[in-house]
Amino acid sequence: DTEVTQTPKHLVMGMTNKKSLKCEQHMGHRAMYWYKQKAKKPPELMFVYSYEKLSINESVPSRFSPECPNSSLLNLHLHALQPEDSALYLCASSQDTSGGLSSYEQYFGPGTRLTVT
Amino acid sequence: DAKTTQPNSMESNEEEPVHLPCNHSTISGTDYIHWYRQLPSQGPEYVIHGLTSNVNNRMASLAIAEDRKSSTLILHRATLRDAAVYYCILRDPYGGSQGNLIFGKGTKLSVKP
Repeated sequence: DTEVTQTPKHLVMGMTNKKSLKCEQHMGHRAMYWYKQKAKKPPELMFVYSYEKLSINESVPSRFSPECPNSSLLNLHLHALQPEDSALYLCASSQDTSGGLSSYEQYFGPGTRLTVT
Repeated sequence: DAKTTQPNSMESNEEEPVHLPCNHSTISGTDYIHWYRQLPSQGPEYVIHGLTSNVNNRMASLAIAEDRKSSTLILHRATLRDAAVYYCILRDPYGGSQGNLIFGKGTKLSVKP
């Protein structure tokens, strides 16, 4: 099974709401990622978790709060978002992030399309 | 991070080969060349990667110039399903941001029946 699943597929939320995005993989991967993709733009890395610990935060505003409860699950908690945060949020996983090997192919989920009103 | 340059868009006819170029003149000795593609309404998917030698897999071939300053992704027989944005990405597994993919603008490939 090489699938990364994301729920929900679509989400509309107001600026005062709190919501969460969920991502799951059962490939035994120990690295998981959140990306943000605006329309007609490439994906931008937000967070990297390695062995369930946050290893990279690409200067993301605190209204985005990631959580990795176990090696298969990754959440992104959303609070007090702005309309400009509307985007496709992609989750990905890879075997590891350790250096020294040629490739840790990343597997992406289909994304959650978020609209902030 | 070393940068890549790709054409914004390309067109191909169905069942013909497609050559997607990528320039990376500032590539370092430890940078691997990765290709991902993103079909409409989907997340990106891995296509192929290489370091110095040409590589083949079931999806595509990767031809790497001898000086490594450019590479070409080759789809041997384009199908309508190959219409996607193709990203050429340099990744240094020994660098400080191991595992990170930094996406450029990519090439939007259109396939005509």
